[in-house]
Amino acid sequence: GAVVSQHPSRVICKSGTSVKIECRSLDFQATTMFWYRQFPKKSLMLMATSNEGSKATYEQGVEKDKFLINHASLTLSTLTVTSAHPEDSSFYICSARGLGRDQETQYFGPGTRLLVL
Amino acid sequence: DAKTTQPPSMDCAEGRAANLPCNHSTISGNEYVYWYRQIHSQGPQYIIHGLKNNETNEMASLIITEDRKSSTLILPHATLRDTAVYYCIVRGTGANSKLTFGKGITLSVRP
Repeated sequence: GAVVSQHPSRVICKSGTSVKIECRSLDFQATTMFWYRQFPKKSLMLMATSNEGSKATYEQGVEKDKFLINHASLTLSTLTVTSAHPEDSSFYICSARGLGRDQETQYFGPGTRLLVL
Repeated sequence: DAKTTQPPSMDCAEGRAANLPCNHSTISGNEYVYWYRQIHSQGPQYIIHGLKNNETNEMASLIITEDRKSSTLILPHATLRDTAVYYCIVRGTGANSKLTFGKGITLSVRP
């Protein structure tokens, strides 16, 4: 299957700082990227959807000014958690689909574990 | 997108077939059935998807009933590494379609 990478794999930061997470599609052009969040023992929850070159569409209850998403190219999307607080500690997972062998299938990255102290 | 119902958990013996059921009685004609799995602390892994015909790939087989209201994912020879949470998801087509995850089914493969 297609490969999606995320960086960093884990990050620890102080409360009030901002953290940027990168998501890259390595072998296909991602026309649409998705960002999910997963708390311990819970399922994945979709945060936002972004199409290349357009503003992201956020799910209900997700603060767009806190979780900044940029999808500037067909292979890169970034999620910035601004002014992070301990309650933002979670497992953040990106997903992508797009031009290539199977345009309808979403492929997921390995996830980024964020711990805010 | 239609919702799915899965049992919370099941187990099977290593080397035996694992049959994971999924109910999607409200599925509509243009919606696909997708299966993903998530091994602990990793991102979900795509397994297989189908519309109405049965599908098979190197990982699994997907059997969809004729009325499309339910499906079964079959892992033909389960190994310990198949222990994971398996998600059955129904998704339409189009630019605005997205995967919505339920609770999934936890498969435990025992030695």
